[in-house]
Amino acid sequence: DIVMTQSPDSLPVSLGERATINCTSSESVLHSSNNLNYLAWYQQKLGQPPKLLIYWASTRQSGVPDRLSGSGSGTDFTLTISSLQAEDVAVYYCQQYYSAPSTFGQGTRLEIK
Amino acid sequence: QVQLQQWGAGLLKPSETLSLTCAVSGGSFRGFFWNWIRQSPGKGLEWIGEINHSGSTNYNPSLDGRVTISADTSKNHFSLKLSSVTAADTAVYYCARGFGRPGVYFDYWGQGTLVTVSS
Repeated sequence: DIVMTQSPDSLPVSLGERATINCTSSESVLHSSNNLNYLAWYQQKLGQPPKLLIYWASTRQSGVPDRLSGSGSGTDFTLTISSLQAEDVAVYYCQQYYSAPSTFGQGTRLEIK
Repeated sequence: QVQLQQWGAGLLKPSETLSLTCAVSGGSFRGFFWNWIRQSPGKGLEWIGEINHSGSTNYNPSLDGRVTISADTSKNHFSLKLSSVTAADTAVYYCARGFGRPGVYFDYWGQGTLVTVSS
């Protein structure tokens, strides 16, 4: 199975500041046939299911604010929140869907400093 | 708006069979893979398996053949059975729609069901 590792585990950020979450896969998730990275990001708030934010590593799901963005390729990926808002407090997960079984990172808890 | 509503027993004894059902509304059942995912403090988010409208299934090998996913396309429902449960199967179980192929990301989720296995 592909192992997804996120860093840091916990990230305190001041309101209005930039937040950066990293995700590394144990194998490349870039598909050579279509040049797409099979990597998604989710946000989970307390007591709720995960919510899809980003797919194909950088495509924002409909309704997701443009202050959230995804980047990276191959094995190294980043989720960036350009200006932290109070409603962004949550746990964030990356997921690879390049090979079965699909696997998730362990999560990064984003909190307000 | 696609909605997934799930239900099933929340308290089981060791060796029993977990059974959950998920109803899909507001969208087509065809053309997607329908998934079960669980979340526990110890193992995080774990994909369990998937089924499509024609009954084709894929399962996570880590569950040692204990999983069966079925679908009732007449009702737009799909179900999960996990046999011989132990305390390690205690988790919140989610149903979710898989989008994209090959490989899927999960764009709609059910509300989750906490399943506790305890003697």
